[in-house]
Amino acid sequence: QSALTQPASVSGSPGQSITISCTGSTSDIGYWNYVSWYQQHPGKAPKLIIYDVSRRPSGVSNRFSGSKSGNTASLTISGLQAEDEADYYCSSSTGSSSLVFGSGTKVTVL
Amino acid sequence: QVHLQESGPGLVKPSETLSLTCTVSGDSIRGYFWSWIRQPAGKGLEWVGHIYFDGSTTYSPSLKSRATLSVDTSQNQFSLNLRSVTAADTAVYYCTRAAVGATYLDYWGLGSPVTVTS
Repeated sequence: QSALTQPASVSGSPGQSITISCTGSTSDIGYWNYVSWYQQHPGKAPKLIIYDVSRRPSGVSNRFSGSKSGNTASLTISGLQAEDEADYYCSSSTGSSSLVFGSGTKVTVL
Repeated sequence: QVHLQESGPGLVKPSETLSLTCTVSGDSIRGYFWSWIRQPAGKGLEWVGHIYFDGSTTYSPSLKSRATLSVDTSQNQFSLNLRSVTAADTAVYYCTRAAVGATYLDYWGLGSPVTVTS
C-alpha cells in the first residue's frame, strides 16, 4: 500500500485559513469514511485532531475541520495561529483492516 | 487519562531482533486495538501493525515477514518484535491505542528512539 499524497508544505499568515489535501485511491479514502488527521510539533508525539473524516476529539479547537470528496480528504485550519505551525499527517483505513499514512505536510505561519 | 510508555533498548545490532514493550496505564488493555507506528528521523509516519486485546493481529504488508506483536493482558502491556533489522529500521517507535475498529489512533506514547548500528 502506497502512502497517501500530501503537499510537502503549506503556509499562511496569522488569521488566514489554509487547507491541506490528502489524496488516496478507491481502496482507502475513496471507499472508507475513516480518515484521520494528526498534528506533530517538533520532537513531540503526534496528536489526533480529526477522526472519521470530520469529527473532532474533545479538547481540539473548532478551528480545525475535515472533509472528503472522492479519493481526496482535506484538513482546513481557520484563523491560523502561531501555535498551528507543525507537521500534519492524514491517515486512512484500507480494505485489509490496515492503516496508511500520508506523506506529511509542514505548515508554516508567516 | 490513558498513558502509554514504550520501553526497550535504544541500540540494536544489524541482523538482530528489535524488542519493544508498551505499558498502558489509566485504562484496561481489554476492549481495544493497540498499534505500533514508527518514524525515521526527518521522515513521515509508518504504520507497523496492530493487535487486539484477544491477540489477533494485522501487520503492514512491508513488515509482515519480520514483525510479531503480542499482548499480555495481566500486565496491561503489548510488545513488538522486529527480526533481522537493518539501518533502515532506525526510527522513533510509538505505541498507540487504536479506536474500536482500529480506524484512528487516539492515544500515543512519547516514543522510543531505536538505532540499528554495529
